[in-house]
Amino acid sequence: DQQVKQNSPSLSVQEGRISILNCDYTNSMFDYFLWYKKYPAEGPTFLISISSIKDKNEDGRFTVFLNKSAKHLSLHIVPSQPGDSAVYFCAASAGETSGSRLTFGEGTQLTVNP
Amino acid sequence: KAGVTQTPRYLIKTRGQQVTLSCSPISGHRSVSWYQQTPGQGLQFLFEYFSETQRNKGNFPGRFSGRQFSNSRSEMNVSTLELGDSALYLCASSHPRVGYNEQFFGPGTRLTVL
Repeated sequence: DQQVKQNSPSLSVQEGRISILNCDYTNSMFDYFLWYKKYPAEGPTFLISISSIKDKNEDGRFTVFLNKSAKHLSLHIVPSQPGDSAVYFCAASAGETSGSRLTFGEGTQLTVNP
Repeated sequence: KAGVTQTPRYLIKTRGQQVTLSCSPISGHRSVSWYQQTPGQGLQFLFEYFSETQRNKGNFPGRFSGRQFSNSRSEMNVSTLELGDSALYLCASSHPRVGYNEQFFGPGTRLTVL
């Protein structure tokens, strides 16, 4: 079963506009959520994370929102830049007992057009 | 500080063979996790090693195994290769204290099984 889902395989936005990437999860034990960015031929790179005790975390152009009641999180990129074009993965962790195990979504390919 | 390194970067094997992949974590990181990425499946957790002990295991058959050495370097082995084992194998390391869920990924080993 897919415990973390990214329902949009792709997203295309214009440079300077907002990119919103969405992620849903089903496991109530998840208490920490992360976003990774991946370019072709490279490993995923950590972007931003959020603990379940918060509903928002901001880092520069990147903001992650968490809605625990809806089991939904989103990543906002403002303003979007062509260099942001990559595959974005949402990931979740179920606490210290799960160690470093992350459960990933399928990824969303973001394309930012100049 | 050097990042996570993986060797080899590319590998071609035939069905029935076995393969060993290597991962060197970031200096000071004691946790090493392995993931398999295939098209449409996202990243699937294989296993995690911490202080030479397997701490977590994903839902993969026993043909997939791993180990960690005293210097935190890790290897994973796949025996009796099948066509479906063709994938990008990613290794990630994390520090046990700082953001233990924030894993740093290597570039991956692209395995092709013919």
